[in-house]
Amino acid sequence: GESVGLHLPTLSVQEGDNSIINCAYSNSASDYFIWYKQESGKGPQFIIDIRSNMDKRQGQRVTVLLNKTVKHLSLQIAATQPGDSAVYFCAENGFGNEKLTFGTGTRLTIIP
Amino acid sequence: DAGVTQSPTHLIKTRGQHVTLRCSPISGHKSVSWYQQVLGQGPQFIFQYYEKEERGRGNFPDRFSARQFPNYSSELNVNALLLGDSALYLCASSLLAGGEAFFGQGTRLTVV
Repeated sequence: GESVGLHLPTLSVQEGDNSIINCAYSNSASDYFIWYKQESGKGPQFIIDIRSNMDKRQGQRVTVLLNKTVKHLSLQIAATQPGDSAVYFCAENGFGNEKLTFGTGTRLTIIP
Repeated sequence: DAGVTQSPTHLIKTRGQHVTLRCSPISGHKSVSWYQQVLGQGPQFIFQYYEKEERGRGNFPDRFSARQFPNYSSELNVNALLLGDSALYLCASSLLAGGEAFFGQGTRLTVV
């Protein structure tokens, strides 16, 4: 069956350093990938997305990389700030599939 | 602009009772999806509605039902509550079915 998993459940990074959060997916039909940030007591917040016809997409301080060969997705956050501390989820959506399938999440902690 | 709003924010119910959760999408958004997020896990897809029609259903029992109204707001109903139904229930809206999803802050349901 389809699943989206994460390599590391927790990640601690020094403030100002860059962080990389990884995600593996198993559904080769996945067409659309999204990274969400979830702070305590809040709903997931959209960070950045990428479609399967792209390998890389950049936003403000964030970059998403997609490697379809090995079914791997990563989120890079540059110059991390205390406000980046949260749980990060990757999610995927297959073509014609109405639902988002989420991974279990990685808790990112920024150390002052 | 108002984001996705959900009510109530917190709710405590007894086993066997029924609950109704409500969601108002972002203005102009026609698609509403419901997700269940158990503590420590990623959100799990329950339903999606688009233009008042059910477009997708996750692997949840028939005790779970939903509907979308002409103004695109939505209700999630859960009958015969079980302890295992305790979770954060998230509503997400998007302009189109399968488009970028924006989440509300969720309703925290506790079944005792």
